[in-house]
Amino acid sequence: DVKVTQSSRYLVKRTGEKVFLECVQDMDHENMFWYRQDPGLGLRLIYFSYDVKMKEKGDIPEGYSVSREKKERFSLILESASTNQTSMYLCASSLVHNKPQHFGDGTRLSIL
Amino acid sequence: GQQVMQIPQYQHVQEGEDFTTYCNSSTTLSNIQWYKQRPGGHPVFLIQLVKSGEVKKQKRLTFQFGEAKKNSSLHITATQTTDVGTYFCADRAGGTSYGKLTFGQGTILTVHP
Repeated sequence: DVKVTQSSRYLVKRTGEKVFLECVQDMDHENMFWYRQDPGLGLRLIYFSYDVKMKEKGDIPEGYSVSREKKERFSLILESASTNQTSMYLCASSLVHNKPQHFGDGTRLSIL
Repeated sequence: GQQVMQIPQYQHVQEGEDFTTYCNSSTTLSNIQWYKQRPGGHPVFLIQLVKSGEVKKQKRLTFQFGEAKKNSSLHITATQTTDVGTYFCADRAGGTSYGKLTFGQGTILTVHP
C-alpha cells in the first residue's frame, strides 16, 4: 500500500519565519504535489515535481518554494510566513501522470 | 486557467435518501477523477472517467461523464452514515502536465441517521 508521510500533523509558527514542510513517499512515484486546502475553495495546487530537481509552479505558487533533492522526498518552503498562509497543507504523489494521486494526512499550519 | 465548478457546496440527507453532486466546466474536461475525504482524513481516490458519456458504478455509487465532456456527476443511492464526507471532482490535464489536477470546491455530505 502506498504511504505518503508528512512530517508534522500540526505546526504553529510566527510571521516572518522560514517554514519547512516535509513529505516522503515510499513507492518510487515519479510525481509529487503540494496543495493547500481552505474551506469552500477545495484543494489548490501550489507546486509539483515530475522528477528529482524538477519542479513546476501550480496555481498559487506566490510565497512558496519547493525542493526535491531525492525522488522520495518533496519539501515545501514558506520563505517568510504570513498569516494568510494559515491553512491545511496536503502532499500527494502519483506513479505516473495518468495514475491516481495518493495523499498524506496533511499538516495544519497556523501562522501567528 | 481551467476552472472546475462543483455544486452543491453542502448537502444534508436522511439515511436512505439519494445524493448527487455535479461538476461543471465552461471548457472541455480532459479526464475526471473523483475523490472522497472523510472528516479529519485525507482525499482518497474513487474513480477516473476518461471517455465521453462514460458511466461507471461502484456498488451504490454511479459516476457519469457528460457527452460533451463539460460535466460529470456522482450519484449515491440509498445513502448510509459511512458515506459522510467531502466529495471532490478533479480534472486531470492532458499533454505534458504530469498529471496536474484542478479540483472543484467539493460537496460536503452529511447523513442523518
